Amino acid sequence: DAKTTQPNSMESNEEEPVHLPCNHSTISGTDYIHWYRQLPSQGPEYVIHGLTSNVNNRMASLAIAEDRKSSTLILHRATLRDAAVYYCILRDLNNQAGTALIFGKGTTLSVSS
Amino acid sequence: DADVTQTPRNRITKTGKRIMLECSQTKGHDRMYWYRQDPGLGLRLIYYSFDVKDINKGEISDGYSVSRQAQAKFSLSLESAIPNQTALYFCATRDFAGDNEQFFGPGTRLTVL
Repeated sequence: DAKTTQPNSMESNEEEPVHLPCNHSTISGTDYIHWYRQLPSQGPEYVIHGLTSNVNNRMASLAIAEDRKSSTLILHRATLRDAAVYYCILRDLNNQAGTALIFGKGTTLSVSS
Repeated sequence: DADVTQTPRNRITKTGKRIMLECSQTKGHDRMYWYRQDPGLGLRLIYYSFDVKDINKGEISDGYSVSRQAQAKFSLSLESAIPNQTALYFCATRDFAGDNEQFFGPGTRLTVL
């Protein structure tokens, strides 16, 4: 699976939008872009995923660059509960051997009130 | 009730002891995974299973074994625990169809003295 690069940490204020970037310059045409987050003392939880088009769900939005070499997870109004480690992960649907997620170190998001 | 449960949640043991970590799921998913997480790092895959008869090694399977007793149960064993197996262990499940999200359990914190 292709690698991703994320900033180690980011800070935000409560109720402000947060843009979490992810670079994946070696992405292949069959790689989906997944985002998971891990709240303190919990297992990771799914946030959103996409292939080419921007995606929205109740938790966040995913903006994917036209060349797909980068993407941005957007939290529209950060809350204290959004403080977590956010992982950007590429998954190749053609890789049926695993279908597991390959985690990097992620971005630690801090939210201040 | 949680969809993915892990027992025990915390365990302290001594070097050389045999330890079993258990995972149960009520989601009806066929795919199950075991990951470990070390401080400040992302999760790494230990073993995964596509069904009761299909067990596969992950990135870091040495020193571990697994058993898929039923579709809903996937156990991880440390035959002879060593201190560098001290970590957080997460179980996850996923439906086979399409590119669906993984659901993680709450984790087991294992300390090997």
